[in-house]
Amino acid sequence: SQTIHQWPATLVQPVGSPLSLECTVEGTSNPNLYWYRQAAGRGLQLLFYSVGIGQISSEVPQNLSASRPQDRQFILSSKKLLLSDSGFYLCAWSVGTGGTEAFFGQGTRLTVV
Amino acid sequence: ILNVEQSPQSLHVQEGDSTNFTCSFPSSNFYALHWYRWETAKSPEALFVMTLNGDEKKKGRISATLNTKEGYSYLYIKGSQPEDSATYLCAWDNYGQNFVFGPGTRLSVLP
Repeated sequence: SQTIHQWPATLVQPVGSPLSLECTVEGTSNPNLYWYRQAAGRGLQLLFYSVGIGQISSEVPQNLSASRPQDRQFILSSKKLLLSDSGFYLCAWSVGTGGTEAFFGQGTRLTVV
Repeated sequence: ILNVEQSPQSLHVQEGDSTNFTCSFPSSNFYALHWYRWETAKSPEALFVMTLNGDEKKKGRISATLNTKEGYSYLYIKGSQPEDSATYLCAWDNYGQNFVFGPGTRLSVLP
């Protein structure tokens, strides 16, 4: 069966520090991978999606970047965190070209202080 | 910019009541619509994936309908229970490249 792992669950980082959130998927090949963010009081906003190794699409300009070094690994990074980067980050995967459900990780609560 | 809306933003019902909420989305270039349930401290969980106009899907006490021509979907919960308390999200499926989520409807079922 397929599983998705996302860590850490919570993170408190000072402004200006780097960030690395990792997401791995097991039990499937060539998944579509996504990073979403939920800011306080708002819905889920897509940050990045990837349809294959090294292929990253960004939906919104921001202080963050993503990488996919392996088929089932998706990393969200920042060189210098801003206060506005605080939020709840979710990794997700799906397969195919649409019409199938996405499966979400447990999420990371990031607080930038 | 694609806009997916949901209403109401929040809802409080008594245990045993039936309820419904709405998701509206652009009707052009429709491919699929998803419903998710997101309980506190858990991951969003898929309820339905709907693709055909007039589609109606059911899972236990929860059902959903789809109107792609006018761009809306309804989610119904019959005989609400406290364990139904969650945020219900709909998402417009852009051929798997992106899921554009609505802001969600937060449901609280009071015992």
